[in-house]
Amino acid sequence: AQSVTQPDIHITVSEGASLELRCNYSYGATPYLFWYVQSPGQGLQLLLKYFSGDTLVQGIKGFEAEFKRSQSSFNLRKPSVHWSDAAEYFCAVVPRTGNQFYFGTGTSLTVIP
Amino acid sequence: DSGVTQTPKHLITATGQRVTLRCSPRSGDLSVYWYQQSLDQGLQFLIQYYNGEERAKGNILERFSAQQFPDLHSELNLSSLELGDSALYFCASSVGGRANEQYFGPGTRLTVT
Repeated sequence: AQSVTQPDIHITVSEGASLELRCNYSYGATPYLFWYVQSPGQGLQLLLKYFSGDTLVQGIKGFEAEFKRSQSSFNLRKPSVHWSDAAEYFCAVVPRTGNQFYFGTGTSLTVIP
Repeated sequence: DSGVTQTPKHLITATGQRVTLRCSPRSGDLSVYWYQQSLDQGLQFLIQYYNGEERAKGNILERFSAQQFPDLHSELNLSSLELGDSALYFCASSVGGRANEQYFGPGTRLTVT
């Protein structure tokens, strides 16, 4: 079955530490890949996306993600986390032959001083 | 600010009632998508309209319906409301009919009592 998996429900990191949020997908062909962030009570903001080409994608707010075809993964990273990064992060895909977003269940990030 | 607007921001109503949520897409965007975000179901795609016509359908209940008007704004109608319909309802828009990149509105929080 097609799916998007974010195995970490909740992650806590110290401010200034590095961050990696995991995302795995299960689709026949590599879908379009996205990461969104949702602050409490807010809508979804696009961090970055991967359609094709360079497998390391740079996004806003200092985030990057790496697409690994062999692992069907699209993990989100940030070298140094800021307190304002505390939010819910969603990985999402759009199948190449489809026309809708499928979202992972989200990873809640807490940043401690 | 994504440029997608949704009204109202909050809505409280009773079971059995009917409500209408409104969405105005970004200027120039022809597609509108509706999503439901609830604690138990996560983020789910409901329906997509492209230039006034239904383009894709997701997990939308029969009690729910939507339409897109000639000025491209969209309305999501929820009827015979149940407690379980309490959720955050997001609208997103994109330029074309493909779901490759969407910009999300701030959402309407619906509480059914």
